[in-house]
Parts: sequence; C-alpha cells; structure tokens
Amino acid sequence: AQKITQTQPGMFVQEKEAVTLDCTYDTSDPSYGLFWYKQPSSGEMIFLIYQGSYDQQNATEGRYSLNFQKARKSANLVISASQLGDSAMYFCAMREFQTGANNLFFGTGTRLTVIP
Amino acid sequence: GAGVSQSPSNKVTEKGKDVELRCDPISGHTALYWYRQRLGQGLEFLIYFQDNSAPDKSGLPSDRFSAERTGESVSTLTIQRTQQEDSAVYLCASSQGSGTVSYEQYFGPGTRLTVT
Repeated sequence: AQKITQTQPGMFVQEKEAVTLDCTYDTSDPSYGLFWYKQPSSGEMIFLIYQGSYDQQNATEGRYSLNFQKARKSANLVISASQLGDSAMYFCAMREFQTGANNLFFGTGTRLTVIP
Repeated sequence: GAGVSQSPSNKVTEKGKDVELRCDPISGHTALYWYRQRLGQGLEFLIYFQDNSAPDKSGLPSDRFSAERTGESVSTLTIQRTQQEDSAVYLCASSQGSGTVSYEQYFGPGTRLTVT
C-alpha cells in the first residue's frame, strides 16, 4: 500500500485566491512526521512546513498551513493568497519515527498552476 | 551559507558504463540521504548515512548501486553497468541528524542522469 497518496495530479488557482492540496497517508506507527515540499521547475526541493503526529495544533508557516486531520489520516496543505511564484510541483512526505526507517516517503506530487 | 551541492548537474552516459555522482552536504550535517526521482514521479529513497554508523541501504534497487561517505563529508553514489531505467534525477539531502523528532532535510539541486 502507498504510504502517501496525492490524488490531484494538477490544480489551478486564481492569483490571490486560496488553494488546498490533498494528502492522505497510511501508517501504523504512532509517532510520525508529515512534510510538504515545493519543487519549482528549476528542480530544487524546498521545505515548506512540518506537522508532528502528536502536535495538538495545525502547523502554520506564513501563507502555508497544514490541515491535519489525524483520524482521517489526512494532511492537506493550504496556500492562502496565491502568488504566481507558487506555481510548482508540491510533494507531501512522511517519516515514521518508531519503525526506525530513516527516509522520507513521498507522494507522486501535485502540479499547481497559479493563473494571473 | 552554502547549501547542499551536487555534481555534475547533468550526466549523459552510454548503457553499460559506470557513473559516479557526488554530493557535498551542508557543513555540520551528520545525516545524508540519496533519493531518485524518475520523470513525473515522487522521490524514492536509496540510501542513508548517519555519522560513522553502518549506512541504511534498504532503498538501493540493485547491487549495481553503491554509495560511500567519508565521515561527515562528501558522498559518492556509484551506478555500475548503467541501464536505461537508471535515467532519473538523483537528489542528495542532508540534515542535522535524525535524533530529533522534527527535522528538515535540505536538498541539493540534483544530478540529471540520462542513459542512452
């Protein structure tokens, strides 16, 4: 089974509007972390936001917020006030802390296009 | 400060040849990761180094793939007898360590490998 599922291959949003990128995850590890990365056309992976499985509040970083619904195993990224520079691929990722796995598991990504 | 650097940025090689990809992590980062990203896909974990511990090689796809790291410095990923399915972007990441629950992996720009 896929550990990270991103069901939206592509999304469009009008400039200055908010957009939600979906991410669901699958793990039996009680301790895990969820990450979102942005990958512009230049190729580098840029860390955006982190949510720990025991965090009581949803993570926020500037215009990025993570809508964490633990019971539903979802960790959607919300980008507010979209800008043209937000056009990129967005990847959701997870690390399991108790299994001893050292790597991040990535989803297949969502390509976001911001329309002027 | 300097980020993660990788070289070469692009590599074209003939099927059957060996290639070496290099990663210079951020100074002071004890953890180093290699990932592979095929066209249009998410990142696949390959190998992880932490201090002088035995590396986690669980993601290496075949025995044609190997990697080395000397201390907390440069790492080299070697692919022997390259095949066309090895064509991908190879990304290196480093982090301050894996001991903390929340941590950020800083990615390099990647090496785009094309096997003809």
